[in-house]
Amino acid sequence: GAGVSQSPSNKVTEKGKDVELRCDPISGHTALYWYRQRLGQGLEFLIYFQGNSAPDKSGLPSDRFSAERTGESVSTLTIQRTQQEDSAVYLCASSWAPGQGAFFGQGTRLTVV
Amino acid sequence: GQQLNQSPQSMFIQEGEDVSMNCTSSSIFNTWLWYKQDPGEGPVLLIALYKAGELTSNGRLTAQFGITRKDSFLNISASIPSDVGIYFCAGQLGGAQKLVFGQGTRLTINP
Repeated sequence: GAGVSQSPSNKVTEKGKDVELRCDPISGHTALYWYRQRLGQGLEFLIYFQGNSAPDKSGLPSDRFSAERTGESVSTLTIQRTQQEDSAVYLCASSWAPGQGAFFGQGTRLTVV
Repeated sequence: GQQLNQSPQSMFIQEGEDVSMNCTSSSIFNTWLWYKQDPGEGPVLLIALYKAGELTSNGRLTAQFGITRKDSFLNISASIPSDVGIYFCAGQLGGAQKLVFGQGTRLTINP
């Protein structure tokens, strides 16, 4: 596809369950970002992958959150033992090189009930 | 840590008016970006700035990368109803650094 693709677009899960969110970046983009956006709020940085460098995990809010990326392809964000406070839109973005403009996907709306 | 202060938080204007918003930081950035987000959508990149002093236009939108590298502004001329949305600035210190976002400016236009 031409843009960043995220799946699922919506996810409703029960408190305590694990969820996995997927991001397919634009082909050839070396940088990939995950952000969280609570209703009516700004973008909260979670994690940043750049090529084969060690990811910047400084934004992950707790050890229940983890993310992986294989090479310069798909990334998955996993949230274990979900809590109601995890309800938000999770946005993924990619850019073709460090320091270049990043393009966002449509996001995954996560609702924990 | 790196923080961006974006202002104003919200704007209520008449259609046809010009709009100006800005972002400031205590940190120096090498890249400044401006995004627009519509309800239920991901942010869309409007303008990217890569050099101090750079002034870039995209249709009715104009943005500048401040000379000190600590600020940027976005202007919208002759606003139209489809300009409604939330505008975010973002800065990046360098290629190895994350993108930092401002808190957003919510633009509302009265017809």
